[in-house]
Amino acid sequence: QKEVEQNSGPLSVPEGAIASLNCTYSDRGSQSFFWYRQYSGKSPELIMFIYSNGDKEDGRFTAQLNKASQYVSLLIRDSQPSDSATYLCAVKGAGRRALTFGSGTRLQVQP
Amino acid sequence: GAVVSQHPSWVICKSGTSVKIECRSLDFQATTMFWYRQFPKQSLMLMATSNEGSKATYEQGVEKDKFLINHASLTLSTLTVTSAHPEDSSFYICSARHQGNQPQHFGDGTRLSIL
Repeated sequence: QKEVEQNSGPLSVPEGAIASLNCTYSDRGSQSFFWYRQYSGKSPELIMFIYSNGDKEDGRFTAQLNKASQYVSLLIRDSQPSDSATYLCAVKGAGRRALTFGSGTRLQVQP
Repeated sequence: GAVVSQHPSWVICKSGTSVKIECRSLDFQATTMFWYRQFPKQSLMLMATSNEGSKATYEQGVEKDKFLINHASLTLSTLTVTSAHPEDSSFYICSARHQGNQPQHFGDGTRLSIL
């Protein structure tokens, strides 16, 4: 079992719709959770981070964390073609210095 | 805020050359820095983690004598790819974090092509 799992996609949504990206993790002691966006040929860019159970909203983005289910998600409202990218879920496990990244979900927003 | 600068952006050089890549945190003190490598259409692969003033911790399978890492100050880390060969061609990305559970911030990456 991978430590951080994401569906590779592509996830295709029409412009203006809500895109829902999901991630599960195996280390129950994980403490902090991050979503990064990576455009093709570019380096990852931080979008959101969440530490506590529940929802955290920032503009069109909402991160949701459920530690009991070991599940974290990212919702993108009013999706735009410019949101088309690979979204990486990253988790900081207990006792680890580096983040563990999922393999990413490719999102395609259709105009 | 939280800007990480990586230089150079592109390197093209002959086989056998050593290449140095610099990573600087511009507006925060990076207690820990990370070096990643990414091949086309593949995931980020962590190569090593370093704390300022300490030796880097390398991931399994990464040769420490091939990939020399120096984290001399709280704002600068360097990766030197020694005697580079075509199989070392990849996208190298540094990342920095101030402390603890705070986010890692990435540089823009260095695309290395060895002829």
